[in-house]
Amino acid sequence: EPEVTQTPSHQVTQMGQEVILRCVPISNHLYFYWYRQILGQKVEFLVSFYNNEISEKSEIFDDQFSVERPDGSNFTLKIRSTKLEDSAMYFCASSEQGPSYEQYFGPGTRLTVT
Amino acid sequence: GQQLNQSPQSMFIQEGEDVSMNCTSSSIFNTWLWYKQDPGEGPVLLIALYKAGELTSNGRLTAQFGITRKDSFLNISASIPSDVGIYFCAGQLRRGSGNQFYFGTGTSLTVIP
Repeated sequence: EPEVTQTPSHQVTQMGQEVILRCVPISNHLYFYWYRQILGQKVEFLVSFYNNEISEKSEIFDDQFSVERPDGSNFTLKIRSTKLEDSAMYFCASSEQGPSYEQYFGPGTRLTVT
Repeated sequence: GQQLNQSPQSMFIQEGEDVSMNCTSSSIFNTWLWYKQDPGEGPVLLIALYKAGELTSNGRLTAQFGITRKDSFLNISASIPSDVGIYFCAGQLRRGSGNQFYFGTGTSLTVIP
């Protein structure tokens, strides 16, 4: 069964450093998403991406964040200058149709900012 | 941000019992989804609901999209130990020209064998 994959599973970085989190969505899906989940809290929407551009973003997704689909398979989230409060699980998701439809989540990348 | 309130926050039940949890909001949602999350893993989609009043089943799970479009419930019948996890509702809300997606606060389910 096709699934969303994410790498790395755990990333440790120092405050102020740039990180890139990688995702490979399900191959026939057209809509891609990033979410984050701070430990013990609910999942929070960051951004949705369709047709090579951001279609929606939340107030969390500020100028420190960017997303890219550099090739036909990868979807990346970049955090330019990490802060301690960026420590969280970051989940990538994809859907075949628009955001109203079933989104399938990857296993997540745990980001620890020290 | 948008609040999706889930209740109860946690449940401890005996194996074989039925479970009911719900999700409410002050806003009207276009779509309701229910996810289960195991520790250290990503949410797994259980049921998707697209129309007000829609009642959908997936095995022992049943979910309904409230008539007011401001709430949804999830029922699990005859619980088993592998039902343990955190259950999240999620809703899609149209704002302006776009769609925003929100998750509920979660219901932690413990099933006692």
